[in-house]
Amino acid sequence: GNSVTQMEGPVTLSEEAFLTINCTYTATGYPSLFWYVQYPGEGLQLLLKATKADDKGSNKGFEATYRKETTSFHLEKGSVQVSDSAVYFCALSDDPGANSKLTFGKGITLSVRP
Amino acid sequence: DVKVTQSSRYLVKRTGEKVFLECVQDMDHENMFWYRQDPGLGLRLIYFSYDVKMKEKGDIPEGYSVSREKKERFSLILESASTNQTSMYLCASVASGYQETQYFGPGTRLLVL
Repeated sequence: GNSVTQMEGPVTLSEEAFLTINCTYTATGYPSLFWYVQYPGEGLQLLLKATKADDKGSNKGFEATYRKETTSFHLEKGSVQVSDSAVYFCALSDDPGANSKLTFGKGITLSVRP
Repeated sequence: DVKVTQSSRYLVKRTGEKVFLECVQDMDHENMFWYRQDPGLGLRLIYFSYDVKMKEKGDIPEGYSVSREKKERFSLILESASTNQTSMYLCASVASGYQETQYFGPGTRLLVL
C-alpha cells in the first residue's frame, strides 16, 4: 500500500535560517505529491504540489522537487520567518480513479524564533 | 475561493451521546472526506463519499457513520461517543480528477467526557 514518511519533529529554527523537511514515499503507481500546511487554529491548506517526476512545486518561498529515483519530496525554504511556524504535512495521491484520496505523513511542527 | 465550513469549532459531549458533525462545501465538489487528526498520528481517513448517497470506509471507520443526502453536505456521526474519539475532526472536499487539490475546513475539536 501507499505510505508517506516524514522526518521526526518538532523542528525549532531561528528566523532567516535554512529549512529542510524530509519526506519519502512508497506508492504502487505514479503519484502526485503535495505539501500541506496547518497554521495554528486552522485547517490544512495546500502549500505546493508536483504531479510528475522532476517537477518542482513552489509557493511562498518554499520549494520541493519530485525525485522518483529516491522516492522523495523534501520541502525547503532558504530563509524562514516567524510566520512560517505551523505544522507541515507531506501527502501523496495515487488514485487513478476519480476519488482523489490522499495518504498523509504524520506531520511535523515547525517553530521559528525571532 | 473554495469554502469548506464545519458546523462547530469546539464541541464537548458526554460518553454515550450521539454526535453529529456537519460539513458543507460551496464548490460543487463530488468528493468529500472526513479525517481525524491526533498528535503523532497525522491525519487518518475515517470515511469518504464520491457522490450523493455514496460512501466508502477509510482506514478507521469503526465507531463512525456518515451521511451524504445532498452534494454539498457531508455529515459524520458518532453513534455512541467514547473518550477515545476525543480528537480534531477535519472535513475536506475535492473535485473529481487525478491531480486535484483537497480543500479543508477549519476543523472541529471534539472532547468526549
